[in-house]
Amino acid sequence: AQSVTQPDIHITVSEGASLELRCNYSYGATPYLFWYVQSPGQGLQLLLKYFSGDTLVQGIKGFEAEFKRSQSSFNLRKPSVHWSDAAEYFCAVVTNAGNNRKLIWGLGTSLAVNP
Amino acid sequence: GAGVSQSPRYKVAKRGQDVALRCDPISGHVSLFWYQQALGQGPEFLTYFQNEAQLDKSGLPSDRFFAERPEGSVSTLKIQRTQQEDSAVYLCASSLGGLAGVRGPVTQYFGPGTRLTVL
Repeated sequence: AQSVTQPDIHITVSEGASLELRCNYSYGATPYLFWYVQSPGQGLQLLLKYFSGDTLVQGIKGFEAEFKRSQSSFNLRKPSVHWSDAAEYFCAVVTNAGNNRKLIWGLGTSLAVNP
Repeated sequence: GAGVSQSPRYKVAKRGQDVALRCDPISGHVSLFWYQQALGQGPEFLTYFQNEAQLDKSGLPSDRFFAERPEGSVSTLKIQRTQQEDSAVYLCASSLGGLAGVRGPVTQYFGPGTRLTVL
């Protein structure tokens, strides 16, 4: 069965520092991969998505993610973190279940940003 | 433009009560999804509609959970005889199509959720 693992439950970085959030997936074929951000009291917002082509994907708010098939990873990065980036980040993969596809989610990584 | 809206934003119910949670998707969005997000967890799929047709309800945890979308727009998730384990945030999302099309994955747009607390 498809699954998504986010190894880091909680990460704290200083404002201005670089950030990398890890995501590993278990899936037989080329997956459809997503990163979402969830701020307190806000809905989930799509940061970026990957399904084919260039393995480095650019998203909103200065985020990018790199798909590495050999490592089954889709890590999220940002070169310089802002205080407003403090939120919960979720990696997700679309299952390939015929017409009834589902989004399978990781447990999330909570990001705190120190001033 | 208007995004996905959900009401109420917060709901407190006594165990055994029935609750109804509403989702207003983005106008014109064919697909609508319901998720359950427990504290400290990622969202868990509950059910999926394409227009008024409920194509997948495999994630509904019990027959106490029921969802409908009678006119292909607004959807209601109903939970009968609520239990404490039903306490969670219930998320609704809509999209133009299903989760994947010929051009790849289709973006889902999420509402703010309804936080249900069962006492």
